[in-house]
Amino acid sequence: AQKVTQAQTEISVVEKEDVTLDCVYETRDTTYYLFWYKQPPSGELVFLIRRNSFDEQNEISGRYSWNFQKSTSSFNFTITASQVVDSAVYFCALSGRWSLLGGSYIPTFGRGTSLIVHP
Amino acid sequence: NAGVTQTPKFQVLKTGQSMTLQCAQDMNHEYMSWYRQDPGMGLRLIHYSVGAGITDQGEVPNGYNVSRSTTEDFPLRLLSAAPSQTSVYFCASSYSQREARNEQFFGPGTRLTVL
Repeated sequence: AQKVTQAQTEISVVEKEDVTLDCVYETRDTTYYLFWYKQPPSGELVFLIRRNSFDEQNEISGRYSWNFQKSTSSFNFTITASQVVDSAVYFCALSGRWSLLGGSYIPTFGRGTSLIVHP
Repeated sequence: NAGVTQTPKFQVLKTGQSMTLQCAQDMNHEYMSWYRQDPGMGLRLIHYSVGAGITDQGEVPNGYNVSRSTTEDFPLRLLSAAPSQTSVYFCASSYSQREARNEQFFGPGTRLTVL
């Protein structure tokens, strides 16, 4: 079974604090991909990053960094020196289950973590 | 490219009415899907399509129908609206889901209220 758990429903921080959003996943696949998406208050979800199961190197992009640990089935997202513009709902997703219909992967999303950054 | 477009942005229905939420993409994406987003429930998959003429049910298909006659369009039909269908609906597409690596592109959403 495929499952993504984002245990933090809502996180509230003050600007310039560092914050980590947790993502824990379950899959029996040996090859899979993990994703993070951002949903700002305007509503539209935007893709942030993808990581495949064979690449455990951490990734850094400006104030954003991602830590993938296969041993703990986690793909955590850290924002350094948070800003008000980082306020959004963040979704972690897994490439998902294989469907025989058309031979396709059906993505599995976590329930999202709402991040509120106060000025 | 316009990406993924959805119409309308907002809609109010009365119980029992029917309507169609429109979704179109201009990226020649093979895979399209519909999600509903409710507080505390995240994104739940309603229906998906892997190409023109091929659709299947997701996690919460009851009360919804879909069809895909072209690569570009994937409308979602509410047959007889119920208050439980009050939600924000997102259409998404990806180049292909035959590969696990492809990300989803989302539309701006439709906020539906059923009275």
